[in-house]
Amino acid sequence: EVQLLESGGGLVQPGGSLRLSCAASGFTFSNYAMSWVRQAPEKGLEWVSAISGSGGSTYYADSVKGRFTISRDNSKNTLYLQLNTLRADDTAVYYCAKSPLYYDTLTGYHASYYFDYWGQGTLVTVSS
Amino acid sequence: EIVLTQSPGTLSLSPGERATLSCRASQSVSSSYLAWYQQKPGQAPRLLIYGASSRATGIPDRFSGSGSGADFTLTISRLEPEDFAVYYCQQYGSSPWTFGQGTKVEIK
Repeated sequence: EVQLLESGGGLVQPGGSLRLSCAASGFTFSNYAMSWVRQAPEKGLEWVSAISGSGGSTYYADSVKGRFTISRDNSKNTLYLQLNTLRADDTAVYYCAKSPLYYDTLTGYHASYYFDYWGQGTLVTVSS
Repeated sequence: EIVLTQSPGTLSLSPGERATLSCRASQSVSSSYLAWYQQKPGQAPRLLIYGASSRATGIPDRFSGSGSGADFTLTISRLEPEDFAVYYCQQYGSSPWTFGQGTKVEIK
């Protein structure tokens, strides 16, 4: 059974930093791209960042580029998100999410960046 | 960036009725890389549909997706009590991957 368990959220002052973690189990973690998706209170979903299975490719939304860093430790089956220079509008529940693979007959397996499994989320509150 | 606009914002229906939700993209979504999610209060989203029309594992066949290009539809053929929730579309054809703002299906 796929399980994703986020941790590391909390209350932080504007300009502060936080590191989120997502512990994965139930699948071969290194084979799959992973993402962070956030949801501000009473708002919709916003994709934040993604990382390939190997960790060699990373992607960011413009709203967090230069402030957030995604990484993974495949030996620990753990995904991370380092949040720096936090602002009030970063306040949200942060979900980690797994992306499935698709197979191309010419080029092999690739990540497909929709999200088939989600964690329960961790709340980050940025406030003084 | 592809902007997804969902309509209506809220759909008020009774159990047993048919729900039709729309998701319109600001430009064509390549290869129909469009997914739908359901979210209930206090819960994480759940994948319903990917590739515009393929049901995810374990999703009842009353949920169906259709469309291509820039216009997509999620249909719930007969609403069950557990289907009242917020629904989001998401495109994954080009980065940044974007979500619609959501449609709330509420009990009339």
